[in-house]
Amino acid sequence: AQTVTQSQPEMSVQEAETVTLSCTYDTSESDYYLFWYKQPPSRQMILVIRQEAYKQQNATENRFSVNFQKAAKSFSLKISDSQLGDAAMYFCAYRANDYKLSFGAGTTVTVRA
Amino acid sequence: GAVVSQHPSWVICKSGTSVKIECRSLDFQATTMFWYRQFPKQSLMLMATSNEGSKATYEQGVEKDKFLINHASLTLSTLTVTSAHPEDSSFYICSAREEDFGGYTFGSGTRLTVV
Repeated sequence: AQTVTQSQPEMSVQEAETVTLSCTYDTSESDYYLFWYKQPPSRQMILVIRQEAYKQQNATENRFSVNFQKAAKSFSLKISDSQLGDAAMYFCAYRANDYKLSFGAGTTVTVRA
Repeated sequence: GAVVSQHPSWVICKSGTSVKIECRSLDFQATTMFWYRQFPKQSLMLMATSNEGSKATYEQGVEKDKFLINHASLTLSTLTVTSAHPEDSSFYICSAREEDFGGYTFGSGTRLTVV
């Protein structure tokens, strides 16, 4: 199974500021998908953003953007203009060719008002 | 967007009894569904993959006789926890693969407490 590493258990950000969450992964495959999921206190998993490995352009979704470095096997998430509703646990995930998702340990994001 | 309905959202059962959790894809056909287990403040651990019309494949260390999975139709997968024990208490989440999108839709989860 692929390994996904999130090295930041917790991150705190001031409202309206920017925070970046790190994620690295280990794989020998050349084509795969990467995801960031948000899990708020309700525990509903919500897709934040996804990236296809063969696409060089970094994915963006409104205030969320990624920095995908394929050679370095790095996939960080940047949250701009942080809002109180962004407070949640964020999981980085890797999709292999067998369609299974491997999740990182998660990063808890706290937003300070 | 695609929705996966998971029921019940929480259940309390007595030790030794069985509990069934259902996941339905409401507006799309899910040929593949995944079942996860999550402990508080931890990540999701894949338990098994269910494919419509075939036997589920279980991850290493998951007891297939304890966690029975059935995927009898393209819109319904069920997880039955048999002879439940307190250590089975956890949060269980299903997800369905969306073939067109290349992504996944998750159910809202089931909190199981075995007393």
